[in-house]
Amino acid sequence: ELKVEQNPLFLSMQEGKNYTIYCNYSTTSDRLYWYRQDPGKSLESLFVLLSNGAVKQEGRLMASLDTKARLSTLHITAAVHDLSATYFCAVDLVRTPVFGAGTILRVKS
Amino acid sequence: EAGVTQFPSHSVIEKGQTVTLRCDPISGHDNLYWYRRVMGKEIKFLLHFVKESKQDESGMPNNRFLAERTGGTYSTLKVQPAELEDSGVYFCASNPGPRSEKLFFGSGTQLSVL
Repeated sequence: ELKVEQNPLFLSMQEGKNYTIYCNYSTTSDRLYWYRQDPGKSLESLFVLLSNGAVKQEGRLMASLDTKARLSTLHITAAVHDLSATYFCAVDLVRTPVFGAGTILRVKS
Repeated sequence: EAGVTQFPSHSVIEKGQTVTLRCDPISGHDNLYWYRRVMGKEIKFLLHFVKESKQDESGMPNNRFLAERTGGTYSTLKVQPAELEDSGVYFCASNPGPRSEKLFFGSGTQLSVL
């Protein structure tokens, strides 16, 4: 059974500083997703990582994938308030994405 | 283009009652997924439709849960009779398939069983 673990589960960030959240998974997969959810809203796709060594960047967020280590990271550069949200990673298992528990990010002024 | 819509957004029912959740996927999306999130925990897979067929229902907790997708368009998820542990947020998602690059999610139905 595929397990997806995110850490930390909660991250309080200071504006302007850099942070990383981690997504570990237990079995081989070549496809990993990052989603963002604002309170009461739907999950929005941020990144799809399709191969070992894949790196994608959008604004202050950068995601990478190491399939050998079964690890993805989401790096936040110079946090700003509008990044506050819950971030989920999901790993594809035979067409069914399996999600982690989510990481709640809060940016303090 | 309309997104994935779910109805109702909130439902509060008593233990033993029946509740039906509805999901309208994006038009033309063959794949439809149901997920559930219990407070603070992972988003757990319930089942996957391809058009009107159940592709994978391995995540359905028990036979109190019944999902349908007649005609391959909208889907319903019925819980009968509801139990306290069924409380959570039920998400629906769709994509064109196969192995599309991302899921398009609805805003979820918050179900509270008292």
